[in-house]
Amino acid sequence: GQQVMQIPQYQHVQEGEDFTTYCNSSTTLSNIQWYKQRPGGHPVFLIQLVKSGEVKKQKRLTFQFGEAKKNSSLHITATQTTDVGTYFCAGASNNDMRFGAGTRLTVKP
Amino acid sequence: DAGVTQSPTHLIKTRGQQVTLRCSPKSGHDTVSWYQQALGQGPQFIFQYYEEEERQRGNFPDRFSGHQFPNYSSELNVNALLLGDSALYLCASSLVVVLDSAVPYNEQFFGPGTRLTVL
Repeated sequence: GQQVMQIPQYQHVQEGEDFTTYCNSSTTLSNIQWYKQRPGGHPVFLIQLVKSGEVKKQKRLTFQFGEAKKNSSLHITATQTTDVGTYFCAGASNNDMRFGAGTRLTVKP
Repeated sequence: DAGVTQSPTHLIKTRGQQVTLRCSPKSGHDTVSWYQQALGQGPQFIFQYYEEEERQRGNFPDRFSGHQFPNYSSELNVNALLLGDSALYLCASSLVVVLDSAVPYNEQFFGPGTRLTVL
């Protein structure tokens, strides 16, 4: 069955540094979504990517969908303490949506 | 405009018991999905309801069942509880729109979750 792997599991950065999390699927995806979950909170939808090679930006966040539609990345430029949380990718394939295990980001002021 | 609400917020049960969790979707949403999130893990898809029917199902046993009502609210039932069922149960609502590319746009709004502890 479809598996979604996400790396790294943890990332600790100094405020102002960049951060990237990567997502890889064992199968070709129809689309991929990204969510952010703050400690003690619930996942919050960030974006959905659909097209091969798609790149979308939201302020300091850049999302990419691979050409083969099997991998994706989220890059945060110049992290801030408000970026703290766990970032999840969720890949959709054949009406099945699988979440990665998430990358937990901590930011030192 | 209320977002997704879930009840109860916390629940403690013992092995073998049954539990019912409730979810009210965001106003205007017609699709409800349920997820199980174990500590330190990503949400695992249980099933999705649309038009009062189970439309999709993840890899969960038949002990997990659900229902959607005409007002789009939903229930998740778990029978014969096991210790391993302890988790945060999340409900997510959405209004699926098919894009030009024929791929459904499915922005999910998650509720605060129900923390279930099985002793």
